[in-house]
Amino acid sequence: EVQLVESGGGLVQPGGSLRLSCEASGFTFSSYWMHWVRQAPGKGLVWVSRISSDESTTNYADSVKGRFTISRDNANNTLYLQMNSLRAEDTAVYYCAREERATRYFDYWGQGTLVTVSS
Amino acid sequence: DIQMTQSPSSLSASVGDRVTITCRASQSISNYLNWYQQKPGKAPNLLIYGASSLQSGVPSRFSGSGSGTDFTLTISSLQPEDFATYYCQQSYSTPRTFGQGTKVEIK
Repeated sequence: EVQLVESGGGLVQPGGSLRLSCEASGFTFSSYWMHWVRQAPGKGLVWVSRISSDESTTNYADSVKGRFTISRDNANNTLYLQMNSLRAEDTAVYYCAREERATRYFDYWGQGTLVTVSS
Repeated sequence: DIQMTQSPSSLSASVGDRVTITCRASQSISNYLNWYQQKPGKAPNLLIYGASSLQSGVPSRFSGSGSGTDFTLTISSLQPEDFATYYCQQSYSTPRTFGQGTKVEIK
């Protein structure tokens, strides 16, 4: 069974940092591109970042470019999102998602982890 | 970036109704259009991919159509478990933009 389990969320002050993790199981993690998507309270889904299966390609939304870094550890089946210089507008539930490469849909999602940026 | 616009933003319908949600892309995305359902407090769930392909395990009352810039999600006979928010998403290019969502509520 495919599972994605996020962790690392919590309350952080503006300007602070946080690292999210997404532990994958039930599939060959190293074969899939992975994404982060976030959802502010009561709002819609917003794509944040993606990373290729071999880590050679990363992309970011303009709103997080230069502040967030996506990475992965294929040996330990884990995806990361390092978030620096956090702002109030980064407050959201963060989901990791697996991308089916051929037709590019997100077929599995984690349960999400809440990040709250507040003083 | 490709902008995705859904309509309506919300709708009220009764069990058994036929429901249609539209999604328009700001430029042609071929058939790289996916639909997700999200219930409160839960992660999104893939319904339709490639504009019209039904994801495994999704009831056949859900269907998708369209290509280029205009797409439609149809629920042929609304069931109680279908009350949720629906999002379209383009996977033609990065960033993988979503529509703003359509909330389907009970009339």
